[in-house]
Amino acid sequence: SQKIEQNSEALNIQEGKTATLTCNYTNYSPAYLQWYRQDPGRGPVFLLLIRENEKEKRKERLKVTFDTTLKQSLFHITASQPADSATYLCALDPKGGYQKVTFGTGTKLQVIP
Amino acid sequence: EAGVTQFPSHSVIEKGQTVTLRCDPISGHDNLYWYRRVMGKEIKFLLHFVKESKQDESGMPNNRFLAERTGGTYSTLKVQPAELEDSGVYFCASSPLGTEEKLFFGSGTQLSVL
Repeated sequence: SQKIEQNSEALNIQEGKTATLTCNYTNYSPAYLQWYRQDPGRGPVFLLLIRENEKEKRKERLKVTFDTTLKQSLFHITASQPADSATYLCALDPKGGYQKVTFGTGTKLQVIP
Repeated sequence: EAGVTQFPSHSVIEKGQTVTLRCDPISGHDNLYWYRRVMGKEIKFLLHFVKESKQDESGMPNNRFLAERTGGTYSTLKVQPAELEDSGVYFCASSPLGTEEKLFFGSGTQLSVL
């Protein structure tokens, strides 16, 4: 069956360091891979999308890589700040633009001042 | 610009009762989606509207769930009768046609069935 794995344990890092979150998937060939941020009591907020033919995408302090051979995406936040503390969700879209996406359970990031 | 709004934010009902959740998408967004997150699990797709038509309802758990989007604007999701396992957070999301890659989510409705 299709499965998406994100670090279930919280990730704690020091302010200013680079946070790296992992998303691994099995039995899946996504056309798109998305990353969302979710704060407590709020809905997910879209951050970045990367397509299957793209290796890397950047947006300000964010960087996403997508390795379809390893079936893995890495999400990096450079120069992390306490305001980056949140849960980050990986989501896979099999068809591209269809939005019947499959979400991972998310990784909780805590940036310590 | 107003975001996706959901009402109520919280609902506590007893098993067997009926609950109706409402979602107002961003104005002009023809795509509307319902998702659900059960505690400890991932967010799961329930269904997708394009305007007033159901595009995909393959994620609906059973026939106790009924979603409508009359007029292609706001949507309602009714659970009747509610069961204990229906508890969770129900999210609504919307997107414009042609830009389905990016979803705009509401804050969700926390449903507790006792």
